[in-house]
Amino acid sequence: EIVMTQSPATLSVSAGDRATLSCRASQSVSSSLAWYQQKPGQAPRLLIYGASTRATGIPARFSGSGSETEFTLTISSLQSEDFAVYYCQQYNDWPHTFGQGTKLEIK
Amino acid sequence: EVQLVQSGAEVKKPGESLKISCEGSGYSFASYWIGWVRQMPGKGLEWMGIIYPGDSDTRYSPSFQGQVTISADKSISTAYLQWNTLKASDTAMYYCARIGLGGDWIFDLWGQGALVTVSS
Repeated sequence: EIVMTQSPATLSVSAGDRATLSCRASQSVSSSLAWYQQKPGQAPRLLIYGASTRATGIPARFSGSGSETEFTLTISSLQSEDFAVYYCQQYNDWPHTFGQGTKLEIK
Repeated sequence: EVQLVQSGAEVKKPGESLKISCEGSGYSFASYWIGWVRQMPGKGLEWMGIIYPGDSDTRYSPSFQGQVTISADKSISTAYLQWNTLKASDTAMYYCARIGLGGDWIFDLWGQGALVTVSS
């Protein structure tokens, strides 16, 4: 099973600043990497797939990069609605494992 | 409207059985894989398994194989997650989610979640 490790566990950033979240795979997942956002009391929402492709309706301030084992989600200018928990997921090999999440909080 | 609607919250006792559901609408339910994701209280997301309603092909995470059963009835556009013997450790929110077409095994549509509480 591929283990996905996200860092940091919690990230404190001010509104308007840039946030950079990391996700590392225990073995190569090629570009089969997705990012999800989850707000309290809500289901997760797909943000990015294929490591760098934004899902439908996702603002351009969200961008993804990386391949193989190292991936990054960048939010260029944080809005109040962006403070949430973010999960990465690999879908290159079964089971399609998630990372443990990064909580993005207001500084 | 394209959506997945899950059955309501459940409170059960250890040892009891349970089957929760996920009904899809607004799209061709049989043509999309449906997955189940567990979220224990205050914890992250865990991929449990997926099913293709068209032919009931199913894949399980080894962590959940033998612990739950995933099934689907394409005639009523509904997928199920079932336990024969619940444990307190099954207490969690369970989400169903659709895997989009296009080759990427990503969850592009989510249900609202079903909270399962197992307590004596």
